[in-house]
Amino acid sequence: GENVEQHPSTLSVQEGDSAVIKCTYSDSASNYFPWYKQELGKRPQLIIDIRSNVGEKKDQRIAVTLNKTAKHFSLHITETQPEDSAVYFCAAVPNSGGYQKVTFGIGTKLQVIP
Amino acid sequence: GEEVAQTPKHLVRGEGQKAKLYCAPIKGHSYVFWYQQVLKNEFKFLISFQNENVFDETGMPKERFSAKCLPNSPCSLEIQATKLEDSAVYFCASSPGRLGGNQPQHFGDGTRLSIL
Repeated sequence: GENVEQHPSTLSVQEGDSAVIKCTYSDSASNYFPWYKQELGKRPQLIIDIRSNVGEKKDQRIAVTLNKTAKHFSLHITETQPEDSAVYFCAAVPNSGGYQKVTFGIGTKLQVIP
Repeated sequence: GEEVAQTPKHLVRGEGQKAKLYCAPIKGHSYVFWYQQVLKNEFKFLISFQNENVFDETGMPKERFSAKCLPNSPCSLEIQATKLEDSAVYFCASSPGRLGGNQPQHFGDGTRLSIL
């Protein structure tokens, strides 16, 4: 089955700096990679996603890159703000006819220091 | 509705009792997913449905866990003979189509299950 590794587990940055979270996956059949933000006590919310036919995707201050050969993908947050503080999860979904399983990373707790 | 609705928000059970959680997906969404999130934040996939049919149950502990999605009823996740390690937040999510398509899955607020 799929195995997703995520690091770092915690990350502290000064407001205005950039934050990078990295994930690797093991199943070459995975072709969809969503990222979720979960604030304390709240539901996970999708912030950006990327499919395997794309190498990079950007949405304002958030960008995701994907390297299919190396099986790794990363989340980049620029100009961080205190409201970016949350736990971020990467995930991988395989492309398989009878399979709809999302494998999550362990999460990265991001703290943005004002 | 426009949001995934999970009930109850918090459920307390004594060890060995049964627990039943409910999820109403967003209207028009064909896929429903259940996840277990334990205290260390890690998400564990349990099961997914396509309408009322089990689509993928590879994450489901077979002995005590069961789930259903019946027409015109909320989906349910039931745990028999609960154990202390079942304490977690259980999230339900729904999506209009298969993951990887143009629409993502939407999560509910979760049910916090506490086993005493």
